[in-house]
Amino acid sequence: QVQLVESGGGVVQPGGSLRLSCAASGFTFSGHGMHWVRQAPGKGLEWVAVIWFDGSKKFYADSVKGRFTVSRDNPKKTLFLQMNSLRPEDTALYHCAKFTGTDEFGYFDLWGRGTLVTVSS
Amino acid sequence: QSVLTQPPSVSGAPGQRVTISCTGSSSNIGAGYAVHWYQQLPGTAPKLLISDNNNWPSGVPDRFSAFKSGTSASLAITGLQAEDEAEYYCQSYDTGLTGSQWVFGGGTRVTVL
Repeated sequence: QVQLVESGGGVVQPGGSLRLSCAASGFTFSGHGMHWVRQAPGKGLEWVAVIWFDGSKKFYADSVKGRFTVSRDNPKKTLFLQMNSLRPEDTALYHCAKFTGTDEFGYFDLWGRGTLVTVSS
Repeated sequence: QSVLTQPPSVSGAPGQRVTISCTGSSSNIGAGYAVHWYQQLPGTAPKLLISDNNNWPSGVPDRFSAFKSGTSASLAITGLQAEDEAEYYCQSYDTGLTGSQWVFGGGTRVTVL
């Protein structure tokens, strides 16, 4: 079955940390760039981070740069997002998404249902 | 505030045609980068609806069509159906002053009257 399943979300205090995971199945995980996209409650989609198919390059949105780290384990078909120094504005549903194509013309053709991160004291 | 601008909502009666605009700038749509559209049904993950140049993923009806011109794009739904009630997002690539990133519109809620 072709799918992405996120886990690891929860409630954390401001300044805390969480590590999200995304388990992939049904496609060649090592052949695709993978992204994290978040959605604050009642809000739209916000791109968070990308990691190249082989892990050689990583890029982040300005809002999370220096606090979040994306990584992947290709043999285990798993994507990760380490989130440190969390802020209330990081509260969101975090989706992982499979990317197909080039940066400029590619698209997100498979999404997970998301894992909810709530940052609150 | 989203880099790409969409109207918050549009509505139409069953069978009608509705369009959703997506306005960008010279650093994204105007630079010639692709624009893709996603549909998010309530409580579900976003789903690729139509990719640039009107490529439909398997299972997506051709009632959905996409257009692009200059710094804007639009999604048209013809023959609106009750099952089309959802949130729709446009997405592109941006190479602005702060660096390259993938950008989304704020989303448009489609209501079938």
